[in-house]
Amino acid sequence: TAGITQAPTSQILAAGRSMTLRCTQDMRHNAMYWYRQDLGLGLRLIHYSNTAGTTGKGEVPDGYSVSRANTDDFPLTLASAVPSQTSVYFCASDPGQGADTQYFGPGTRLTVL
Amino acid sequence: GQNIDQPTEMTATEGAIVQINCTYQTSGFNGLFWYQQHAGEAPTFLSYNVLDGLEEKGRFSSFLSRSKGYSYLLLKELQMKDSASYLCAVRDSNYQLIWGAGTKLIIKP
Repeated sequence: TAGITQAPTSQILAAGRSMTLRCTQDMRHNAMYWYRQDLGLGLRLIHYSNTAGTTGKGEVPDGYSVSRANTDDFPLTLASAVPSQTSVYFCASDPGQGADTQYFGPGTRLTVL
Repeated sequence: GQNIDQPTEMTATEGAIVQINCTYQTSGFNGLFWYQQHAGEAPTFLSYNVLDGLEEKGRFSSFLSRSKGYSYLLLKELQMKDSASYLCAVRDSNYQLIWGAGTKLIIKP
């Protein structure tokens, strides 16, 4: 079982350009999440989806959008990247409310210049 | 606001025991998680506490006191591979995880 995959592994992006970070899970989990992790700060939730067809805003949603067309995929789009979006992005999933474990993908390291 | 506090860095000796503390103030409580994260890698699950008391898993144990808003992760018989960051997270009333900044644990021979 692959678990959660993310692509790309890393990317350097010019400011103002758009980009989509991909996330796919094969565990048939209902809930999926996008976090960013910055040095000295905890993981911060960007957007989440409790089930296919629904999405919600997390703590730091500005500048990001998501979609959840099916159970497996949860792409994160930066419409017009800014340097403050330089970070490591983790996708995660779990079976849903009350789950005792949240599983993480390997992460995407994004640098916006 | 919601807040998770844990020490920034700790140092311990191989073979010893170390306790990493976590205090929290959140809007609601639906469980507390500990994750391990090696440098450049994704967080991996260690433990989950939803009721008060101690949960033991091999060399790792996690304790929770909901009335005190307090948890600790206890690592015994430390090995060099335990050098990593340890993340504390609380699931709030909206079932979202609120994360601490992590504790970097340095193991010395």
